[in-house]
Amino acid sequence: GEDVEQSLFLSVREGDSSVINCTYTDSSSTYLYWYKQEPGAGLQLLTYIFSNMDMKQDQRLTVLLNKKDKHLSLRIADTQTGDSAIYFCAEALLYGQNFVFGPGTRLSVLP
Amino acid sequence: DTAVSQTPKYLVTQMGNDKSIKCEQNLGHDTMYWYKQDSKKFLKIMFSYNNKELIINETVPNRFSPKSPDKAHLNLHINSLELGDSAVYFCASSFGSGAHTDTQYFGPGTRLTVL
Repeated sequence: GEDVEQSLFLSVREGDSSVINCTYTDSSSTYLYWYKQEPGAGLQLLTYIFSNMDMKQDQRLTVLLNKKDKHLSLRIADTQTGDSAIYFCAEALLYGQNFVFGPGTRLSVLP
Repeated sequence: DTAVSQTPKYLVTQMGNDKSIKCEQNLGHDTMYWYKQDSKKFLKIMFSYNNKELIINETVPNRFSPKSPDKAHLNLHINSLELGDSAVYFCASSFGSGAHTDTQYFGPGTRLTVL
C-alpha cells in the first residue's frame, strides 16, 4: 500500500539547522516533493527530487534521498522564524495519477 | 498574479445544504485536482481531471462532484453536506495529463465548516 510517514513536530533555535525526515513505502515513486504550508495559507512547492538522485541543493535547502531505505530528508540551513510552517513530504506514484502526502511536520523556530 | 485561486476562502453552512467551491488557474495547465485536508492536516486527493479523463478517489462519497466548464476551471460541488465534510479543500493544477512527473501547484485553500 501507499504510505508516507513523517514526525509531526520539530522545534529548533533560530540560526540552527533543521532536518525534517520522511519515509515512504511505495518503491515505484519516481518524484518526491517537499511542500511548505504557512499558517492559514496554501501549499507552496519548495523543492523536488527525482528518484535516481541522491541529493539536491537549492540555497538553504538540501534534500537527501536514500532510495534503498525509502527515506527522504529536508535540511534547512540557518533556520529563520519565517521558516516556521508545516512541511509536507509527498511522493508521485509511477502507476497512478496520485500524489501521496505525509501528515506534515510542524516546524517551530524559537528565537 | 495569482496562479491558482479558489473562492470562497471561508465557507460556513448548515448540514444538508448544497454548496460549491470554485477554482481557477491561469497557468495554462491541463490537469486540475481537488484535495481534502482534515483537522489533523492529512492531505488526501479527491479527484484529478483533464480534458480527457476524470479520476476519482474511490473513497470519495458521490455527494462530491467536480464540474469543469473549461480547462482553466474545476469547481467542486457538494450535495447534502455533513459534519464530517468540514475540512480545508485545496485545488491544484499541473502541466500534462496528470502523470507522476507533473509538479502540482496549489491554491490557497477553502476552509469549509459545516454546522
